[in-house]
Amino acid sequence: DQQVKQNSPSLSVQEGRISILNCDYTNSMFDYFLWYKKYPAEGPTFLISISSIKDKNEDGRFTVFLNKSAKHLSLHIVPSQPGDSAVYFCAASGRNDYKLSFGAGTTVTVRA
Amino acid sequence: NAGVMQNPRHLVRRRGQEARLRCSPMKGHSHVYWYRQLPEEGLKFMVYLQKENIIDESGMPKERFSAEFPKEGPSILRIQQVVRGDSAAYFCASSSLDRGNTGELFFGEGSRLTVL
Repeated sequence: DQQVKQNSPSLSVQEGRISILNCDYTNSMFDYFLWYKKYPAEGPTFLISISSIKDKNEDGRFTVFLNKSAKHLSLHIVPSQPGDSAVYFCAASGRNDYKLSFGAGTTVTVRA
Repeated sequence: NAGVMQNPRHLVRRRGQEARLRCSPMKGHSHVYWYRQLPEEGLKFMVYLQKENIIDESGMPKERFSAEFPKEGPSILRIQQVVRGDSAAYFCASSSLDRGNTGELFFGEGSRLTVL
């Protein structure tokens, strides 16, 4: 049962433009959402997170938006840089949950 | 390096052999999680352990797979009688008790198992 879904397996964007990655979830008990970035042959590294009491969290070039009514979140990267080319995973957990449920990932390619 | 350490990074086994993957959590972390990533898929939760206790193994296959986190030493994920379908990247993550302000888990670089 896939509780976290990333329906776009890949995204190609021009350097300097905005990258928008989308994520949908089905479990209404989720209250913490995270984005991880992963390079080939490396482990996932934490990028940014948001709790359910907020609808936006910003950290430098990265902004995460949460729409609880739609059970949808998105990650905006602006401006996109070549080093942003990686796989991005959306993840979620419940208030008293200890494990993260991951989406299948979106591969971002930033073109020079 | 105080990060999550996994070894071996790469492991090749023939069908029927045993695979042992080790994970040392970040300093100060007492919670360990194992995830598996099959080719072209996301990370799937396998098991969550605290020192000397398995808290949740709901994602672990019922047979051939086991995990432990002893009082001393690293956490071990053990796969007996490996089959080709076990070929995957196995990631270990650790966290502190309260997972800090961001709720994140800290991941190791993974152990890539190839079964011939």
